[in-house]
Amino acid sequence: DVKVTQSSRYLVKRTGEKVFLECVQDMDHENMFWYRQDPGLGLRLIYFSYDVKMKEKGDIPEGYSVSREKKERFSLILESASTNQTSMYLCASSLGRQTEAFFGQGTRLTVV
Amino acid sequence: EDKVVQSPLSLVVHEGDTVTLNCSYEVTNFRSLLWYKQEKKAPTFLFMLTSSGIEKKSGRLSSILDKKELFSILNITATQTGDSAVYLCAVAPGDGGSQGNLIFGKGTKLSVKP
Repeated sequence: DVKVTQSSRYLVKRTGEKVFLECVQDMDHENMFWYRQDPGLGLRLIYFSYDVKMKEKGDIPEGYSVSREKKERFSLILESASTNQTSMYLCASSLGRQTEAFFGQGTRLTVV
Repeated sequence: EDKVVQSPLSLVVHEGDTVTLNCSYEVTNFRSLLWYKQEKKAPTFLFMLTSSGIEKKSGRLSSILDKKELFSILNITATQTGDSAVYLCAVAPGDGGSQGNLIFGKGTKLSVKP
């Protein structure tokens, strides 16, 4: 089974802190994604990566950056956390263009 | 702008009922449509549809795609309380900039009462 693991289930951070969310997949997938999920807004794509050191902006990249130094790991960075970044963050991976994405268990981030 | 619209946004039924969830889309160069079930945490994959008119079935769940009318339905027969979840529809566009990213609808929240 594909396993996508996010480093934390719950996080509480202060405004202005730099926050790192880590995601690891164990199936040698090419593509990795970061989404945030908010009530009434659904899942929105923040960034995705289709190869090591490659990244593409999604629909809502402002306030975020990403890093993919190794194929199995995709990190989401909040440079200076703000309260409007309080959300559920979901990482996903997929093998190619015609395959389904597999999701991690999510990280619920609260910025106070 | 690419978009995926699901309806209804929420639905309450009783065990044994049959439900139909709807998903319509407008995307550039459609590649595939996917359905996911999300309970308390990670969405789990249900179906991927790429061709019109071919029903995909798994137990009490089934889904079909109409690429001419740009929609899909997800049917659940003989619903059980364990079917309570948010059902997400997502579409994979095929434009040159994408490498497998999905566009999600807002989901349909299904509640099945005993």
